[in-house]
Amino acid sequence: AQKITQTQPGMFVQEKEAVTLDCTYDTSDQSYGLFWYKQPSSGEMIFLIYQGSYDEQNATEGRYSLNFQKARKSANLVISASQLGDSAMYFCAMREGPRGGFKTIFGAGTRLFVKA
Amino acid sequence: DGGITQSPKYLFRKEGQNVTLSCEQNLNHDAMYWYRQDPGQGLRLIYYSQIVNDFQKGDIAEGYSVSREKKESFPLTVTSAQKNPTAFYLCASSIGSGGPLNEQFFGPGTRLTVL
Repeated sequence: AQKITQTQPGMFVQEKEAVTLDCTYDTSDQSYGLFWYKQPSSGEMIFLIYQGSYDEQNATEGRYSLNFQKARKSANLVISASQLGDSAMYFCAMREGPRGGFKTIFGAGTRLFVKA
Repeated sequence: DGGITQSPKYLFRKEGQNVTLSCEQNLNHDAMYWYRQDPGQGLRLIYYSQIVNDFQKGDIAEGYSVSREKKESFPLTVTSAQKNPTAFYLCASSIGSGGPLNEQFFGPGTRLTVL
């Protein structure tokens, strides 16, 4: 079974608008971390934001925020005021605790296109 | 500047040849990882190492080998036993592996093409 699911292979957004990238996860661990990474066409993986399973507040980092709904096992990334430079692949990842061997599992990614 | 370096950026190899991809970090991180990425796909874990002289297989270790003789270095060898080695290879490191809070930092990647 997929542990990280990103259901949107591609998304379009108009410059300066907000966009939500979906991510659902599956784990039996109580302690886990959720991450979002950005991968531009150059290939590097850029860390964007982190949410711990015990964090009560949604994480925010500048224009990025993580909409964490633990009961629904979702960790959606919200990008506000989109910029042309936001066009890239975005990966949701989960790092499990002891039951998962502390490994990080990545979703298949969502390609975001920002239109001028 | 602290970071992770991978070399070479592009690598071409003939079928049947072994090839070694370099990964070096100066972040003083204990844990290091190798991932493979195929076009349009996410990352899949090949091997990881939590400490010097120790490493574990990931989800797709067949046809690959690693060593961890120094904290800073975690080279990956793609052997001739790997049936479809053409891919983008990413190395990463984290402070430790014993917890869910440890963010991974990535190198710039090596694109391997088998001719």
